[in-house]
Amino acid sequence: AQTVTQSQPEMSVQEAETVTLSCTYDTSENNYYLFWYKQPPSRQMILVIRQEAYKQQNATENRFSVNFQKAAKSFSLKISDSQLGDTAMYFCAFLSYNTDKLIFGTGTRLQVFP
Amino acid sequence: ETGVTQTPRHLVMGMTNKKSLKCEQHLGHNAMYWYKQSAKKPLELMFVYSLEERVENNSVPSRFSPECPNSSHLFLHLHTLQPEDSALYLCASSQVVTLASSADTQYFGPGTRLTVL
Repeated sequence: AQTVTQSQPEMSVQEAETVTLSCTYDTSENNYYLFWYKQPPSRQMILVIRQEAYKQQNATENRFSVNFQKAAKSFSLKISDSQLGDTAMYFCAFLSYNTDKLIFGTGTRLQVFP
Repeated sequence: ETGVTQTPRHLVMGMTNKKSLKCEQHLGHNAMYWYKQSAKKPLELMFVYSLEERVENNSVPSRFSPECPNSSHLFLHLHTLQPEDSALYLCASSQVVTLASSADTQYFGPGTRLTVL
């Protein structure tokens, strides 16, 4: 069974600095997707970034980028130039081609300080 | 605004009450989902509907009863709940239920914070 682990329950960063959130997963599959979702205090879960496992190039969306290490089964999220609006819970998720289910981690609460 | 709305946003109910959660998606999607989000636990998938038919039920207790009258609306009927059912209940939708093969993703609503006394 697939599992997703986020080992950092809470993190904090100062505005304009860079922070990296870690995520590891366990799977025997070769084809899958990985996601980072953001859940701000308003609770609306928003897709931040997506990575296809068959792509070696790391996905990037403006200030958000990932470091995808397939062999190590690691999928970290880097937030550059952190902004106060980045304060939220961040969930890493895995999508299996076989089961077609989204498997979520337990989340990392990120606090951005002025 | 992701096009998925949920009402009510907050709900407090006693263990003998009957209530319903409502989800509506305005995205023209064909699949809808109920998730339970408890503190310090991964999101738990409860139910999946595709074209108004239930395609997944992850061993959810019968005190939770879903209803999908059409592809835009999804309900979760609640009765005789337990205090451990207190959680955030998230609704999501996607274009199709086969996410991986279609490179699709899910769009979430804001959730209903449920407290069972």
